[in-house]
Amino acid sequence: EDQVTQSPEALRLQEGESSSLNCSYTVSGLRGLFWYRQDPGKGPEFLFTLYSAGEEKEKERLKATLTKKESFLHITAPKPEDSATYLCAVQPHEGGGYNKLIFGAGTRLAVHP
Amino acid sequence: GAVVSQHPSRVICKSGTSVKIECRSLDFQATTMFWYRQFPKKSLMLMATSNEGSKATYEQGVEKDKFLINHASLTLSTLTVTSAHPEDSSFYICSAPTGSNEQFFGPGTRLTVL
Repeated sequence: EDQVTQSPEALRLQEGESSSLNCSYTVSGLRGLFWYRQDPGKGPEFLFTLYSAGEEKEKERLKATLTKKESFLHITAPKPEDSATYLCAVQPHEGGGYNKLIFGAGTRLAVHP
Repeated sequence: GAVVSQHPSRVICKSGTSVKIECRSLDFQATTMFWYRQFPKKSLMLMATSNEGSKATYEQGVEKDKFLINHASLTLSTLTVTSAHPEDSSFYICSAPTGSNEQFFGPGTRLTVL
């Protein structure tokens, strides 16, 4: 069964304190791994898609990496505005076309001044 | 990034009534859209895949007669919650993939059934 596990469940950081969020996955065949940011009461905001082990992508203070079993979202020198829930999702290979995403439970990040 | 809208953003209805939620891709065409449900402080649960020109595909445990999906055009999918009950109260979110397989989400619809 395809499964996504995110850790930690919640993380509290001081402003400027870098850290990493983990996303472990088991999937029969990985088409892509997605990272999203979600603010309370809003829809998820797309951050990155990673497709192959060794791939890395960066956006401002965020960098996502991918291995065959897990992905990390590194946050460098976070600011209070980075506080949000970060969601990881895998997209399994299921034939052609656009395939569904399977989400992890998310990591709730709080960055304090 | 691409823009996906939802309407309404918030709806309150009485038990037994039906509620329609619209999902639109504003600047791209989407032959497929996805409908999710999210409980407080929980992750997204896929309900169904909406396919333009054909029937929706429902996930296991989701009642297709309860949650009617119609993909009317390449930019519009609707989710109708029929005979709503308090347990249907939730945050409903749609998503649409672009041609480059990036999936963008709408802002969500908060449904409260009294």
